[in-house]
Amino acid sequence: AQSVTQLDSHVSVSEGTPVLLRCNYSSSYSPSLFWYVQHPNKGLQLLLKYTSAATLVKGINGFEAEFKKSETSFHLTKPSAHMSDAAEYFCVVPPGTSYDKVIFGPGTSLSVIP
Amino acid sequence: NAGVTQTPKFRVLKTGQSMTLLCAQDMNHEYMYWYRQDPGMGLRLIHYSVGEGTTAKGEVPDGYNVSRLKKQNFLLGLESAAPSQTSVYFCASRLGQGAGLVGDIQYFGAGTRLSVL
Repeated sequence: AQSVTQLDSHVSVSEGTPVLLRCNYSSSYSPSLFWYVQHPNKGLQLLLKYTSAATLVKGINGFEAEFKKSETSFHLTKPSAHMSDAAEYFCVVPPGTSYDKVIFGPGTSLSVIP
Repeated sequence: NAGVTQTPKFRVLKTGQSMTLLCAQDMNHEYMYWYRQDPGMGLRLIHYSVGEGTTAKGEVPDGYNVSRLKKQNFLLGLESAAPSQTSVYFCASRLGQGAGLVGDIQYFGAGTRLSVL
């Protein structure tokens, strides 16, 4: 069975400082992995995705994530936080060829302090 | 291109009332999903559909029914609303065509905020 763990339910950073949101997965094979972002009172938007090509993936708004099979991790980073980054972030295992459902992590709420 | 559209955006119900949430997508997607989002619990799958005329149960299907009579629409019904169904409901769709299409993207609607008093 596949699962996703987001180690921090809430992260708070100062504007201009780096962001690190952690995600670990459990899978019997190398899965695809996505990060979604949800701004307040909005739907979910795809931030970036890993689908077994390059292990370092760049997304929108300056975010990137690195897939590390040895650590079963897919942490999301950004060099410098902006106020507009304040949102909920979800690490996700998307549907594959052998299953239909999306597996969501519990989410990490990012606060950015001015 | 509208993507995934949910109606209504907000609704307040009294316990025992019924209602239907509509999800419409214009991307010719095969797969459609209904989730509910509650504080501290992330997104939980209620029901989903892998094609027109098909539906399947997700993690939390009790108290909900769904129908997919047309490929572009996925309806979520509450027959007798309960306060425990107060939540934000999200619809999503994805292409899902053909074996090997691993990792295709789910597109989400903006959500429906439902309060049951």
